[in-house]
Amino acid sequence: EVVMTQSPATLSVSPGERATLSCRASQSVNSNLAWYQQRPGQAPRLLIYGAFSRATGIPARFSGSGSGTEFTLTISSLQSEDFAVYYCQQYNNRPPWTFGQGTKVEIK
Amino acid sequence: EVQLLQSGGGVVKPGGSLRLSCAASGFTFSSYNMNWVRQAPGKGLEWVSSINLYGNYIYYADSVKGRFTISRDNAKNSLYLQLDSLRGEDTAVYYCARDGEVGGFNDFWGQGTLVTVSS
Repeated sequence: EVVMTQSPATLSVSPGERATLSCRASQSVNSNLAWYQQRPGQAPRLLIYGAFSRATGIPARFSGSGSGTEFTLTISSLQSEDFAVYYCQQYNNRPPWTFGQGTKVEIK
Repeated sequence: EVQLLQSGGGVVKPGGSLRLSCAASGFTFSSYNMNWVRQAPGKGLEWVSSINLYGNYIYYADSVKGRFTISRDNAKNSLYLQLDSLRGEDTAVYYCARDGEVGGFNDFWGQGTLVTVSS
């Protein structure tokens, strides 16, 4: 099973600033990596798939990069609605699919 | 508009059973693989099970293998998860989710349904 490790666990950022979230895989997942946003009390929402492709309706301030074992989600200028928990997920080859433990982005 | 409407959660005793349902609309259900993902209270996301278009390729997490059964009825645009031999550690919000066209990631999610296993 591929283990996904996200860092940091919590990121404190001021509105308008840039946020950089990291996700590392225990073995190569190629570009088969997705990012999700989850606000309190809501279902997760797909942000990025294929490591860098934005899902439909996702603002351009969200961008993904990386391949193999190292991935990054960047939020260029944080808006109030972006304070949430973010998860990465690998879907390389076949199940089991695995998620990272999440990074909480909080207001500084 | 893609919608996944879930039902069937509740409180059940250890060793008991429950059936979760997920009614799909707004897309051609029979053209997509489907997934179940769960989230224990205050915890992260855990993939539970996946089923392909026709229901002939099915996968389970080791934590639920032999106890949970995923199924689908394409004529009814519905996905199901039968939960048997439930344990306290199965307490979670369960989400159904549509598999992305490439496969493996979840592009649309249901609203979630809470399953509480407690005596």
